[in-house]
Amino acid sequence: DGGITQSPKYLFRKEGQNVTLSCEQNLNHDAMYWYRQDPGQGLRLIYYSQIVNDFQKGDIAEGYSVSREKKESFPLTVTSAQKNPTAFYLCASSKSGVGNEQFFGPGTRLTVL
Amino acid sequence: GESVGLHLPTLSVQEGDNSIINCAYSNSASDYFIWYKQESGKGPQFIIDIRSNMDKRQGQRVTVLLNKTVKHLSLQIAATQPGDSAVYFCAERSGTYKYIFGTGTRLKVLA
Repeated sequence: DGGITQSPKYLFRKEGQNVTLSCEQNLNHDAMYWYRQDPGQGLRLIYYSQIVNDFQKGDIAEGYSVSREKKESFPLTVTSAQKNPTAFYLCASSKSGVGNEQFFGPGTRLTVL
Repeated sequence: GESVGLHLPTLSVQEGDNSIINCAYSNSASDYFIWYKQESGKGPQFIIDIRSNMDKRQGQRVTVLLNKTVKHLSLQIAATQPGDSAVYFCAERSGTYKYIFGTGTRLKVLA
């Protein structure tokens, strides 16, 4: 089966802790993305990566970090510097080039206690 | 379930009727548009896409219409079924890796 997987589905964090959300794809896509989804808002881009060992900040990168050491993997770390981290986090991937749809993972619900 | 989808506009349709969901996009230079379906607690699922050089595209039971003059996109679902109940949102590609997503419309199918 080809697709994108995210883990865990639910994650609880105490204030002041860093947590890492996993995203893996076996679609052989070059580009990968992390979005945050909050109630009543459209998806907001945190980081994206066009190719291995390269990534760019999105609109709301503060308090987050990423790495892209392998084509298949794009983990997101939510640091203690993120002031309002409770949200639904979505990872996506796409082929490079014009007009290629983004495929989304199932999401991770992060709750800060 | 997930709290995503609170305070969204809601469209209620009878099972078997056609549904029309609308979206206003923001960037007149956007060249590619996608409709997604999102069920509670799940990731968005691709429905249909359209490039800016087209004004209509049809899929299985779905049609997307693009009106560039007024920057409007619509999704038509024929013979709406209970399984169509979800949040639907549009996305516009305004840069190579830049997508702008709408907030979504909740579709409720009444039996």
